[in-house]
Amino acid sequence: AQTVTQSQPEMSVQEAETVTLSCTYDTSESDYYLFWYKQPPSRQMILVIRQEAYKQQNATENRFSVNFQKAAKSFSLKISDSQLGDAAMYFCAYYIIQGAQKLVFGQGTRLTINP
Amino acid sequence: NAGVMQNPRHLVRRRGQEARLRCSPMKGHSHVYWYRQLPEEGLKFMVYLQKENIIDESGMPKERFSAEFPKEGPSILRIQQVVRGDSAAYFCASSSGQGANYGYTFGSGTRLTVV
Repeated sequence: AQTVTQSQPEMSVQEAETVTLSCTYDTSESDYYLFWYKQPPSRQMILVIRQEAYKQQNATENRFSVNFQKAAKSFSLKISDSQLGDAAMYFCAYYIIQGAQKLVFGQGTRLTINP
Repeated sequence: NAGVMQNPRHLVRRRGQEARLRCSPMKGHSHVYWYRQLPEEGLKFMVYLQKENIIDESGMPKERFSAEFPKEGPSILRIQQVVRGDSAAYFCASSSGQGANYGYTFGSGTRLTVV
């Protein structure tokens, strides 16, 4: 079965500090995309960052970066200089390029920012 | 561009009633996806539609649930004879093409409460 596991139900960090959210996945496919989505209390799903599996270079978007370890099937999200607006649920997800056209999500990690 | 519009934002139904959830994709998007989010869980794929066609409904319960995306008008997710277990947030996403490289845009979801 294709699954995504986020082992940290909750995380907290001091404002301006750095936090890493972990994600592992299980797939036999070699070609796929990985995503991190943010879901604030408004419920809107906001794309944070995206990684193509064929790219070795880790994706970065301003204060957000990933550590993609393809062999280990690991895809962690690092948030630098945490801000109060980063508080939200964070979901890891993957998308298989060949086959079913759908995202598979993890259970989520609730991130709290302490002022 | 108003983004993906879902309505209603909140919907309360008594057991046995019907629920109709609407999704208007972004302008120019002809691919629509429905996901369900149970409390404290990640989103789970339900169905993928293109205009007038159901492409993949592998995640949708076989009974009571149906989806359509007519040539004109929004996509509709219909749940007949609702039960308490149907209480969840239902999200719609749209894209301009098939595949994650086109990018998904999510709506803000409809929270269905069955009393």
